[in-house]
Amino acid sequence: SYDLTQPPSVSVSPGQTARITCSGDALPKQYTYWYQQKPGQAPVLVIYKDSERPSGIPERFSGSSSGTTVTLTISGVQAEDEADYHCQSGDSSGSWVFGGGTKLTVL
Amino acid sequence: EVQLVESGGGLVQPGRSLRLSCTTSGFTFGDYALYWVRQAPGKGLEWVGFIRSKAYGETTDYAASVKGRFTISRDDSKGIAYLQMNSLRMEDTGVYYCTIGVYWGQGTLVTVSS
Repeated sequence: SYDLTQPPSVSVSPGQTARITCSGDALPKQYTYWYQQKPGQAPVLVIYKDSERPSGIPERFSGSSSGTTVTLTISGVQAEDEADYHCQSGDSSGSWVFGGGTKLTVL
Repeated sequence: EVQLVESGGGLVQPGRSLRLSCTTSGFTFGDYALYWVRQAPGKGLEWVGFIRSKAYGETTDYAASVKGRFTISRDDSKGIAYLQMNSLRMEDTGVYYCTIGVYWGQGTLVTVSS
């Protein structure tokens, strides 16, 4: 197993771009997934396989990868995007590992 | 419509057992691995374990924190997965989710307290 590191919090004003990072030694070899979670709700997949967007997820959500760091970018942040964001990756056996989560605050 | 519904949560004393169920519909359950993820109050998500599909032997893997105490099983004919939790500890308290990745249940709360 290995660790994934996320910043505890990110704050942006409406309309700005939010970038949330996730770092881990195994990330160059494994895909990363991003989940959005609002209070009292189950997580929702917003990015899979580093940069793919599921149907129904707004285009303002995008993902990228560079070395041991992956980034979730939310362009033109809206108030409804305020939530916790969790990155998740895995190992070759199929086991999962999560980052500690990042609270996105829309000012 | 794809659905996953967890049930079986509740208040349990330390050292006791509890079995959670994940009832699925709207997709071919037998084609997918099924994961359990938990979230302690105010904390992040923690992977608990998973069970592979029949095509991959229905083998299981668990987080170190639960290995030897928790067991995942599945009944593809009913579209249900189970999480048997034994020797429960206070640190096992949290909301337990079942998921196939894209789709998640709404979770069931497990509280371990005397």
